[in-house]
Amino acid sequence: KAGVTQTPRYLIKTRGQQVTLSCSPISGHRSVSWYQQTPGQGLQFLFEYFSETQRNKGNFPGRFSGRQFSNSRSEMNVSTLELGDSALYLCASSPPGLEVYNEQFFGPGTRLTVL
Amino acid sequence: QKEVEQNSGPLSVPEGAIASLNCTYSDRGSQSFFWYRQYSGKSPELIMSIYSNGDKEDGRFTAQLNKASQYVSLLIRDSQPSDSATYLCAVKGLEWNAGKSTFGDGTTLTVKP
Repeated sequence: KAGVTQTPRYLIKTRGQQVTLSCSPISGHRSVSWYQQTPGQGLQFLFEYFSETQRNKGNFPGRFSGRQFSNSRSEMNVSTLELGDSALYLCASSPPGLEVYNEQFFGPGTRLTVL
Repeated sequence: QKEVEQNSGPLSVPEGAIASLNCTYSDRGSQSFFWYRQYSGKSPELIMSIYSNGDKEDGRFTAQLNKASQYVSLLIRDSQPSDSATYLCAVKGLEWNAGKSTFGDGTTLTVKP
C-alpha cells in the first residue's frame, strides 16, 4: 500500500499570504489529522477530519482551517501568514476500527517557510 | 506541567548497549501509547504501540507501560548507530478525542560506534 502523501514538500511564502497544503491518506483510511512541528513547540495537534467532518480541533487561531473530501483527501489552509507559521506541517492517517487504539501513520510533511 | 513529558536528552550510548527512553503523562484517562522515531529532516515513523500494563516486545524494542505510575518507556537492546534519532512518545485519550495524539518533546538518542 502506498503511504500518506503530502504536497507540496516545500513552500516559501511571504507574510500576509495564504497557503493550502494537501494530504492523501493511506487507501482505506478515513481519519486524517494535521500537526504542526516546530523546534520550540514540538508536535502540536491542529485538527482531525473523519468522513468530511472536523471531529477535533487543537488550540490554533482561526487562520488555520481545513477540510476533507469524499475520497478522504484533506487540505489545510493558513491565511494571513505570520513568521511564526514557519514549520513542518505533518498529516497522519489512521485505519478504521476502535479508534482510540488506532495508530497514526505520518506523511513526509510540508516544510513551510514564511519570509 | 506538560501533558506528556520525556526525559531530557540528549542521550548517548555506545553501540551494543541498551538505550532507555522514558515518558510520563498527566491524563489518567489515557488509553493508548505510542513510540515514534524521527530521523533528522524526516517525519515520525511508528515503532511500537502499547495499551495494557506490562511489557511488549518487538525485535530489539521493548515498550513498558505502568498506568498506575502514568509511565511508559522504550528500551532498545543492542543499540546500533542507525538507531540514532529523536524518539517521540505519544498518548491518546478518550475515544471521543481519538484522532488526536499528544506528543512529548522527544528525546534525541545518539549511538556511538
